[in-house]
Amino acid sequence: QVHLQESGPGLVKPSETLSLTCTVSGGSISSFYWSWIRQPPGKGPEWIGYIYFSGSTKYNPSLRSRVTISVDTSKNQFSLKLASVTAADTAVYYCARAPRSFPWFDPWGQGTLVTVSS
Amino acid sequence: DIVMTQSPDSLAVSLGERATINCKSSQSVLYRSDNNNYLAWYQQKPGQPPKLLIYWASTRESGVPDRFSGSGSGTDFTLTISSLQAEDVAVYYCQQYYSSPFTFGQGTKLEIK
Repeated sequence: QVHLQESGPGLVKPSETLSLTCTVSGGSISSFYWSWIRQPPGKGPEWIGYIYFSGSTKYNPSLRSRVTISVDTSKNQFSLKLASVTAADTAVYYCARAPRSFPWFDPWGQGTLVTVSS
Repeated sequence: DIVMTQSPDSLAVSLGERATINCKSSQSVLYRSDNNNYLAWYQQKPGQPPKLLIYWASTRESGVPDRFSGSGSGTDFTLTISSLQAEDVAVYYCQQYYSSPFTFGQGTKLEIK
C-alpha cells in the first residue's frame, strides 16, 4: 500500500520561499502523477499542480508564476517550491497521487501546516 | 475555471436515515467522447486528509461501504449515504477533473441529529 509523507518547515516568513518534500513509500514513484494540494483553515482544498515521473508538469494558473514542482526518482521523492509567500498562503499542504493526467487524488499524505508569518 | 458549488453547507441527519449532498458544476463535466462524468467525491474527518469515496461520478473506490453512492450527470451530482452511521460524520467534498485547474467544492458538513 503506497504511503505519502510531507516534510518541511512549518513556519515561513513573508516574501520568502516555501519548500516541502513528499516521500513516497510502498511503491515506485516511476509511474502515476504526483500532486500538491493545499487547504486553508476552514476552506475547501485547492489544487496547486502535479508532476509526472518523467518530469512534465501542470500547474494551477493562479499560482503558476510562483510554483515549481520537481521529482527525484532516485529518492522516490517529489518537491514543492512556492515563492514570494504571503499570509494568504497559510494552509495545510498535502501531497497526493493522481492516477491519470485528468485526475482524482488517492491516496493523500497526512498533510503539514505551513504558516506564513514574520 | 469550473466552479463547484455544494448544497447544503451543513446537514444534520438521524442515525440510520438517508443523507443527500448535492454538487453543481458551472459547466458540464460530461466528456462526450467517453460518456464519463469527470467528478469525484471525498470524505474528510477532523485532522485527517480527504479520503476518496467515488470517482467517475458513481464508481465506488475499493473498500468504501456500499451505503455510499454517487449519481448525476452533466452539471448536477448527488452523494447519498443510504443509512447514516456515526462514523460518517465528516465534511464531504466534490471535485471535477474535466479540465485544469482541477477544482473542489466548498464542502458540506454532515452531523448527527
